[in-house]
Amino acid sequence: IQMTQSPSSLSASVGDRITITCRASQSVTTHLNWYQQTPGKAPKLLMYGASSLQSGVSSRFSGSGSGTEFTLTISSLQPEDFATYYCQETYSAPYTFGQGTKVAIK
Amino acid sequence: EVQLLESGGAVVQPGGSLRLSCAGSGFTFRDYTMHWIRQAPGKGLEWVSLISWDGSDTYYVDSVKGRFTVSRDNNKDSLFLQMATVGFEDTAVYYCAKGRIGYSYGSIDSWGQGTLVTVSS
Repeated sequence: IQMTQSPSSLSASVGDRITITCRASQSVTTHLNWYQQTPGKAPKLLMYGASSLQSGVSSRFSGSGSGTEFTLTISSLQPEDFATYYCQETYSAPYTFGQGTKVAIK
Repeated sequence: EVQLLESGGAVVQPGGSLRLSCAGSGFTFRDYTMHWIRQAPGKGLEWVSLISWDGSDTYYVDSVKGRFTVSRDNNKDSLFLQMATVGFEDTAVYYCAKGRIGYSYGSIDSWGQGTLVTVSS
């Protein structure tokens, strides 16, 4: 299964609402996860099951979708949200990641 | 608190072998699927392998099949990745990671700090 994220990068300001899209080459039902990675750090799980918020993660993050198209939305960007975001399917091994979306400060 | 501590990363020559280890603590290691994920310098994440909680099932990305072997020792709360016939494309930080739910496959909720493998002649 191939996972494609768009855009590959974006620039935004604190307080902006942004959406990242992840498309799967075949249906992964809702076995779709989102991770955040800041430079030099290990990734952090944000969302699982396409729309379930991981414990301890801010409610400004939300996820939606099923089948082949998914979105991650950040409702109001905060300084700590500038990072790279990855989707990953866990429907069928190998559990492919998307190529990542880098969110930079405008 | 879940902790995953990888070790074993090194500089290795093309065609060589290396064994990575990961020590888990703060959770019941034997109950969880464990994963290896790697990240080449400046690149994205690549899922490499998983092993089920009891070691009965293993999966690999195609690029490492036949060269890498994942294993675990539940008596020692340890995960391993035996790497053989390495190539330049295997240069990466290798992360050990824990499945989110026991006795199942799926999302990853905890990661180690990573160990660097450099393939260089």
